[in-house]
Amino acid sequence: EPEVTQTPSHQVTQMGQEVILRCVPISNHLYFYWYRQILGQKVEFLVSFYNNEISEKSEIFDDQFSVERPDGSNFTLKIRSTKLEDSAMYFCASSEVGEETQYFGPGTRLLVL
Amino acid sequence: GENVEQHPSTLSVQEGDSAVIKCTYSDSASNYFPWYKQELGKRPQLIIDIRSNVGEKKDQRIAVTLNKTAKHFSLHITETQPEDSAVYFCAASISGYSTLTFGKGTMLLVSP
Repeated sequence: EPEVTQTPSHQVTQMGQEVILRCVPISNHLYFYWYRQILGQKVEFLVSFYNNEISEKSEIFDDQFSVERPDGSNFTLKIRSTKLEDSAMYFCASSEVGEETQYFGPGTRLLVL
Repeated sequence: GENVEQHPSTLSVQEGDSAVIKCTYSDSASNYFPWYKQELGKRPQLIIDIRSNVGEKKDQRIAVTLNKTAKHFSLHITETQPEDSAVYFCAASISGYSTLTFGKGTMLLVSP
């Protein structure tokens, strides 16, 4: 069964550094999402992406965040200047057009020191 | 925006017992309600979902009920097994919009 994949699985970075988190959505899916989960807390929506543009974004998704689909398979989340409070598990998800069901990747655990 | 409340935060049951997790939502326009199971350090996995045009859906030992009037929905797991131990999240969204709003999760522990 096809699955969403994410790399890296873990990333440690210094405060102020840029990080790029990568996702490969399920191949026939056209809606892509990023969520984050701070340790022990609920999953929070960051942004959704369709047809090469952002569809929705939450108040968490400020100017420090950006998303891109650089080629036909990857979907990336960039954090320009990381803060301590960006430490979290970041999940990518994807869904088919016309379907509400979102399938999650295994996540990237980001630790900002 | 949508707000989803989930109870209880932790639930301990004996193997074979039933477990019930409840969620309420605030936006009456929400019409899609998935439940995800997340094992420690793993991805959230969809276990069942329900749309607002039905009141109940069942899949083997798992069932979900929806009360649109009261704006609440529940997950029922019967004949629980130790491998059911995980964190369960409810969520709500509006068809045609992409945002899933999650509850805070319920840690279910099934003791043998």
